[in-house]
Amino acid sequence: GESVGLHLPTLSVQEGDNSIINCAYSNSASDYFIWYKQESGKGPQFIIDIRSNMDKRQGQRVTVLLNKTVKHLSLQIAATQPGDSAVYFCAENTGTASKLTFGTGTRLQVTL
Amino acid sequence: EAGVVQSPRYKIIEKKQPVAFWCNPISGHNTLYWYLQNLGQGPELLIRYENEEAVDDSQLPKDRFSAERLKGVDSTLKIQPAELGDSAVYLCASSLPGRREQFFGPGTRLTVL
Repeated sequence: GESVGLHLPTLSVQEGDNSIINCAYSNSASDYFIWYKQESGKGPQFIIDIRSNMDKRQGQRVTVLLNKTVKHLSLQIAATQPGDSAVYFCAENTGTASKLTFGTGTRLQVTL
Repeated sequence: EAGVVQSPRYKIIEKKQPVAFWCNPISGHNTLYWYLQNLGQGPELLIRYENEEAVDDSQLPKDRFSAERLKGVDSTLKIQPAELGDSAVYLCASSLPGRREQFFGPGTRLTVL
């Protein structure tokens, strides 16, 4: 079936460096994507979203890139901080108010 | 503005016992979702409500799971009887009418012994 997946299960970066978390999706009909951050014992926290009519979207310290040709999504975190340590999920959606399909997550570890 | 509220945060029960989870969505969010999250995995949708109507319950195991949202605001998810494999985190999320961003609550961690 259609699925969303992540290339790397764990990513370790030094404080101050930039982080790049990747995600591959397989449903070509998906037209909306979200990145969530989930800290231990908490629910997923919305970070940034992007619609399929865009290639790039920037937020505060975060940038999401969408490559529809290869069905690839990435989250870039600038100047990674210890507070960024968490599991990051990408999720795809194919219709307003419909379900999100999540990948398995990438754990980001920030070392001092 | 308060976020999605869920209770209890933790629940430990023995197998074959019933259990219920409660969710109060963000004010004004008419769409409510219940997700199941197993350890190390992303959330999976169980049921979606538009106001009081369950519009997508295709992933809900109806032999033991039930849900309700009688007045179109808060919602209850029930499992009866619980099985060992039901141990997971049960997440509630909500969204505004016509919007795709879903906001999640802290979840209820269920342990079935």
